[in-house]
Amino acid sequence: EVQLVESGGGLVQPGRSLRLSCTTSGFTFRDYGVAWVRQAPGKGLEWVAFLRSKAFGGTTEYAASVKGRFTLSRDDSKSIAYLQMNSLKTEDTAVYYCARVTGYSLHYWGQGTLVTVSS
Amino acid sequence: DIHMTQSPSSVSASVGDRVTITCRASQDISTWLVWYQQKPGGAPKLLIYAASSLQSWVPSRFSGSGSGTDFSLTINSLQPEDFATYYCQQADSFPLTFGGGTKVEIK
Repeated sequence: EVQLVESGGGLVQPGRSLRLSCTTSGFTFRDYGVAWVRQAPGKGLEWVAFLRSKAFGGTTEYAASVKGRFTLSRDDSKSIAYLQMNSLKTEDTAVYYCARVTGYSLHYWGQGTLVTVSS
Repeated sequence: DIHMTQSPSSVSASVGDRVTITCRASQDISTWLVWYQQKPGGAPKLLIYAASSLQSWVPSRFSGSGSGTDFSLTINSLQPEDFATYYCQQADSFPLTFGGGTKVEIK
C-alpha cells in the first residue's frame, strides 16, 4: 500500500524556520517525483514545490510565493522528502500535503501537517 | 502562469442527480488536466488524470472529458459519498495551478 506521512508541522513565529518531512512506504521512492501542496484554512489548494527523481535530474520547481525561502530535498536511502521552510510569513499558515507525482499529476497524497505562523 | 477557472463554485444536488463541473484553462493544455476529490477534514484524492482516465479506485459513474482549454467532470447518479469539493489542476507546465474548487452539497 502506498503511504505518505507528513510530520514536522506546528506553531512558529514569523521569520523563523521549520522543516517538514514526508516519510513514504509501499513504493520505490527513488523512482518518483514528489510535490508539496498547501491549503490555507478554508481556502483552496496551492502548489508549493516539486522535486524530480534523480533519473530525471533531481531538479526542483517552486511557486513564486516561496521561491528563495523554501527548499525541497530528498533522501532516497530513507524514502523521505524534506521541505525546509525559512523566513516564514503569516501567509504561509496552511495544511501542507506531500504527494507522489507521476507526470505532473499528484496520484497519492499524505494526510497533511498543519503549519501555523503567528507571533 | 496558466489560470484555471472552475464553475460553478458550488452546486446543490440530490442523490441520483447528474452533476457536471467545468474547468477552463487560460491557454491550451492539451489533455494535461487532473481532477481531485476532497472530503471535509481529509486530503485530496486523485479521481481522473489526463482529462479522462479514471484512477483505479474511482467508480464508473465519474467521467472526465475535454481537451485544449475546456474540460468537464460529470458524476452520474450522485451517491451520498460523492458530496465533497472537487478541484481541477493543470499538469501541463510549472507553476502547477488548481481551479478554485466546486463544492457539491446535498439539496
